[in-house]
Amino acid sequence: DQQVKQNSPSLSVQEGRISILNCDYTNSMFDYFLWYKKYPAEGPTFLISISSIKDKNEDGRFTVFLNKSAKHLSLHIVPSQPGDSAVYFCAASVTFGNEKLTFGTGTRLTIIP
Amino acid sequence: EPEVTQTPSHQVTQMGQEVILRCVPISNHLYFYWYRQILGQKVEFLVSFYNNEISEKSEIFDDQFSVERPDGSNFTLKIRSTKLEDSAMYFCASSERRLAGGPMSGDTQYFGPGTRLTVL
Repeated sequence: DQQVKQNSPSLSVQEGRISILNCDYTNSMFDYFLWYKKYPAEGPTFLISISSIKDKNEDGRFTVFLNKSAKHLSLHIVPSQPGDSAVYFCAASVTFGNEKLTFGTGTRLTIIP
Repeated sequence: EPEVTQTPSHQVTQMGQEVILRCVPISNHLYFYWYRQILGQKVEFLVSFYNNEISEKSEIFDDQFSVERPDGSNFTLKIRSTKLEDSAMYFCASSERRLAGGPMSGDTQYFGPGTRLTVL
């Protein structure tokens, strides 16, 4: 069941540059999307979310873009900092009567000082 | 900042034994969840719980699993007879309100640090 896919298992970016993490989904019923960051031996930490009525949401250094026609979302981090090194998960849900989050497989982001 | 807590951080058990994983959700949250992540795999939904009953469960959540809110603060996951394949990180999450009401609404699930369950 690959309803949410993150095709890049890893990504390395220089400190100060932009990090772009991508996520694709297949279930057209999804209408709420979230990004979580995870360090080893810790739980997922919420970063930013977007609902399907928007195409962009920004919070500080983090911006999420949603392209519904392409069923694609991306997370931009700018400028990237060493503390951003972690695994990033995209997750999706259907808001009407369905609470569960469906997660992607994650992308390991490494920020190079 | 309020956070979800989980105990123990690591549980080792023999196959066939019962385990109880404990969670304290954020205090004003009303919706509770369990997820698990087998090593190297994605985070998977197990069950959601609201108003003292299960609201949804996945096919993973079979008769060996149960959840309970025994008091006003704890939320537990019980595995009655553990199997080797139950070895995973188990994450509890809570949210203030249900993801319902259309795309104008939406709520965030906040996760605990997880319990690593090792079944020998």
